[in-house]
Amino acid sequence: SQTIHQWPATLVQPVGSPLSLECTVEGTSNPNLYWYRQAAGRGLQLLFYSVGIGQISSEVPQNLSASRPQDRQFILSSKKLLLSDSGFYLCAWSSGLALWAGELFFGEGSRLTVL
Amino acid sequence: AQRVTQPEKLLSVFKGAPVELKCNYSYSGSPELFWYVQYSRQRLQLLLRHISRESIKGFTADLNKGETSFHLKKPFAQEEDSAMYYCALRTGQGAQKLVFGQGTRLTINP
Repeated sequence: SQTIHQWPATLVQPVGSPLSLECTVEGTSNPNLYWYRQAAGRGLQLLFYSVGIGQISSEVPQNLSASRPQDRQFILSSKKLLLSDSGFYLCAWSSGLALWAGELFFGEGSRLTVL
Repeated sequence: AQRVTQPEKLLSVFKGAPVELKCNYSYSGSPELFWYVQYSRQRLQLLLRHISRESIKGFTADLNKGETSFHLKKPFAQEEDSAMYYCALRTGQGAQKLVFGQGTRLTINP
């Protein structure tokens, strides 16, 4: 069966420090991968998605970047964190098939606090 | 631009009462709409999709293209329905992403 792992679960970082959140999927190949941010009152905001290795689509201009160095690995990064980067980050995957029915499978999330 | 609006951040009803969570969308093409749910201490997961025209856990949702709405309904609420609910939009069959609304936290009071 397919599983998705996301880490770290909790992170407290000072302003200006770098960030790396990692997400890996097991049990499937060539998945679509997604990073969402969940913020109170703003719902789920799509940050990045990827349909293949090295293919990244950015949805919102921001201080963050994403990379997909391997088929089932998706990384969310920042060189210098801002206070506004604080939030709950969710990684998700979906079938990469053309007939994808719209179901996303979410990780457990990473809570980032920037001080 | 594609947009999903859930006008109620919080909704509280009594057990046994009907529930309706509102969702409106903005998209000029042929949308696909979904409801996702996050129960306490669980992962966000798909509840239902409009193309399946299914009832899941007693919930139904009808896509109304004229009103650009996809409201989630249940005739008799149960305490285990308490959760965070998100409406989501897929902009066409070829689209590989979902746009989510702000979410509604539903609380069912005993």
